[in-house]
Amino acid sequence: AQTVTQSQPEMSVQEAETVTLSCTYDTSESDYYLFWYKQPPSRQMILVIRQEAYKQQNATENRFSVNFQKAAKSFSLKISDSQLGDAAMYFCAYRRYNAGNNRKLIWGLGTSLAVNP
Amino acid sequence: KAGVTQTPRYLIKTRGQQVTLSCSPISGHRSVSWYQQTPGQGLQFLFEYFSETQRNKGNFPGRFSGRQFSNSRSEMNVSTLELGDSALYLCASNGGLNYGYTFGSGTRLTVV
Repeated sequence: AQTVTQSQPEMSVQEAETVTLSCTYDTSESDYYLFWYKQPPSRQMILVIRQEAYKQQNATENRFSVNFQKAAKSFSLKISDSQLGDAAMYFCAYRRYNAGNNRKLIWGLGTSLAVNP
Repeated sequence: KAGVTQTPRYLIKTRGQQVTLSCSPISGHRSVSWYQQTPGQGLQFLFEYFSETQRNKGNFPGRFSGRQFSNSRSEMNVSTLELGDSALYLCASNGGLNYGYTFGSGTRLTVV
């Protein structure tokens, strides 16, 4: 069974600085998707960035980028130029690629990110 | 395009009662998934519906059930509520792409 681990329950960063959130996962499959979701106090889960395992290039979305290390099964999220609005819970999630009838997301327990002014 | 709508936002129920939560997906999306979020267990998959058929079910007791209507709206039902059912219930819709999920703001259920 696949598992996702986020080893940092809480992190903090100064406004305008850079922070990296860690995520490791365990799977025996070679093709899969990885996601970072953000959950602000409004509770809505918002997709930050996604990575297809068959792509070697790390995904980037504006100030958000990932460091995907497939052999190490590591998928960290880097937030550059942190803003107050980045404060939220961040979840790492995994999904099988050819999921068929098994399209569920498997989640880490999350990292609470505080941004200090 | 309207997002995923979950109703109600908050709900307080008594142990032993039953509850029904509703989720309206993004227009045109036929897949709806449900997740339970608790501080201790994190996010856990409940079930997924596609075109009115349950496609996958998580490891939850039979008290948890769901259905999907022809307009893709989905409901989940929890019978004989227990204190441990207190959680945020999130619904996500998928438009058929192989990876994209859009979530609603959830229903916060408190069982007293």
